[in-house]
Amino acid sequence: GAVVSQHPSRVICKSGTSVKIECRSLDFQATTMFWYRQFPKQSLMLMATSNEGSKATYEQGVEKDKFLINHASLTLSTLTVTSAHPEDSSFYICSASGGYQETQYFGPGTRLLVL
Amino acid sequence: LAKTTQPISMDSYEGQEVNITCSHNNIATNDYITWYQQFPSQGPRFIIQGYKTKVTNEVASLFIPADRKSSTLSLPRVSLSDTAVYYCLVDTGRRALTFGSGTRLQVQP
Repeated sequence: GAVVSQHPSRVICKSGTSVKIECRSLDFQATTMFWYRQFPKQSLMLMATSNEGSKATYEQGVEKDKFLINHASLTLSTLTVTSAHPEDSSFYICSASGGYQETQYFGPGTRLLVL
Repeated sequence: LAKTTQPISMDSYEGQEVNITCSHNNIATNDYITWYQQFPSQGPRFIIQGYKTKVTNEVASLFIPADRKSSTLSLPRVSLSDTAVYYCLVDTGRRALTFGSGTRLQVQP
């Protein structure tokens, strides 16, 4: 149990375009999901907290108009990178809290390359 | 959020037991201790979680002393496939996790 999926696993896009990444909790409901970003050789850094039915909470320095988050259901959160630039190229990982102790389970990640 | 400190890297050989210790001096009463494993280009994978004393599952053991200011992840008889980065985190659940640098474990043949 406690499986989180992400789609797509890899995406290459042109500068200026938008990319949507989906995060799904497959076998549990998650009222809260989190989006992280990880650059090469670095640790995960939190971007935003996504709450079902309400606006996301963004970390300092993360532009909410550039990284649009929608959490429309208890099993799906989406991250849209708008007007992507090469510096947005990174590994994006989502997580969802579930279970008695609200343990966080992570998705497999999405590798974004902006050309 | 409680801050954690763990060794940057460790080396081991196949078949050995590996113990990775994490310090979390400011752990709160409601915090749980959770360990994750991460391979390159993959999301972190949950290994084990505990609150106090000892927890064991099919892949690892977690030892937590009475004061809970540290914890030790024990991996029995490691193999090459255990080469990864291991993260120790403390949280109460439903909160975002603050990742430290983790411990890069290299298992040699």
